[in-house]
Amino acid sequence: QQQVRQSPQSLTVWEGGTTVLTCSYEDSTFNYFPWYQQFPGEGPALLISILSVSDKKEDGRFTTFFNKREKKLSLHIIDSQPGDSATYFCAASAPYAQGLTFGLGTRVSVFP
Amino acid sequence: EAAVTQSPRNKVTVTGGNVTLSCRQTNSHNYMYWYRQDTGHGLRLIHYSYGAGNLQIGDVPDGYKATRTTQEDFFLLLELASPSQTSLYFCASSDGGSAETLYFGSGTRLTVL
Repeated sequence: QQQVRQSPQSLTVWEGGTTVLTCSYEDSTFNYFPWYQQFPGEGPALLISILSVSDKKEDGRFTTFFNKREKKLSLHIIDSQPGDSATYFCAASAPYAQGLTFGLGTRVSVFP
Repeated sequence: EAAVTQSPRNKVTVTGGNVTLSCRQTNSHNYMYWYRQDTGHGLRLIHYSYGAGNLQIGDVPDGYKATRTTQEDFFLLLELASPSQTSLYFCASSDGGSAETLYFGSGTRLTVL
């Protein structure tokens, strides 16, 4: 059973548009939710993260929203660029746990 | 900047073969991890370690051994490789704690024929 569910599997966006990725989770002890970005041939790299005490975190064109009641989070990318084309993973961890539980990823393609 | 180096970049072996994947980090991080990445399964944790000589079991440990020889070096061992272990393997390091950033290497693509 997938503990972190991510949607959609893939997404196509035109340059300048807004990309929205969503995740949901089951484990109510999860309190840390990072998003990782992965380009072909590379390992994932941290893009943005949020703790469960917050409901929004912004970093430039990237914003993550967290809804504790619904156990959902989302990643919004505004003014999407072709360089944003990558696979995005949401992940989660609980206090005192090690490693992260990852979603299956969303492949994003941004066309000019 | 954090640096995690994996070798080899690609490896092909036969069923029953013996494979060792290597990982070195120069971040002085305490924690190191081995993940496998497969389509339809995302990234799954195989083993991790919080220091030299320590080994902890992850979520998908069957068929894998690992050894942390120094703070810098973490090895993943497949002693009887099977086709189901064909995958993209990533090593990562972190400073520890559940909310710490994972720094990933570039991966090793393993094919078991």
